[in-house]
Amino acid sequence: GAVVSQHPSWVICKSGTSVKIECRSLDFQATTMFWYRQFPKQSLMLMATSNEGSKATYEQGVEKDKFLINHASLTLSTLTVTSAHPEDSSFYICSARDEGARGEKLFFGSGTQLSVL
Amino acid sequence: TQLLEQSPQFLSIQEGENLTVYCNSSSVFSSLQWYRQEPGEGPVLLVTVVTGGEVKKLKRLTFQFGDARKDSSLHITAAQPGDTGLYLCAFERRGSYIPTFGRGTSLIVHP
Repeated sequence: GAVVSQHPSWVICKSGTSVKIECRSLDFQATTMFWYRQFPKQSLMLMATSNEGSKATYEQGVEKDKFLINHASLTLSTLTVTSAHPEDSSFYICSARDEGARGEKLFFGSGTQLSVL
Repeated sequence: TQLLEQSPQFLSIQEGENLTVYCNSSSVFSSLQWYRQEPGEGPVLLVTVVTGGEVKKLKRLTFQFGDARKDSSLHITAAQPGDTGLYLCAFERRGSYIPTFGRGTSLIVHP
């Protein structure tokens, strides 16, 4: 079945540094990928929609200069948390849409746990 | 404001017990989805319910969509420790395949 790979699985960084998270669709092409953020025991909140070859669409309240999204190919989207602070510590999950599948199915990565010290 | 209200928020039970979790809204949906998420993992789609009154079964899990398509329930029979996880209901935004999730029910099944 379709697989979405997310890397790294976890990262610890110092406050003020930037962290890049990669999301790859391994066996299908995805013109659209989605980035979610999840706090412990909370639901997934959509941050932005990543569009291949164009600018990402951010949800209300999400700083686009803080969370940089690049979707340069049909199989890769990256989320860069710039100048990370402890309040950015969270579980970040990406998902990608398999447009070639019946019903255009959505698949999720396994998430990245970010801890900012 | 959460469009989807899930209850209970937390549930801790012993192996072998039955349980039901609920997903309610004042809005009507064309479909609702149920996901399970294990700690440190992304959510996995369990089922999509489409028709009002529909009942779908997945082994020991029974999903029901309300007649008015405003609510759904998930019933687990004879829960096992492997059922532990966060159960999320979601709806897809109109005209897209972007799921919007409820807060979820965190289930722990003790051996």
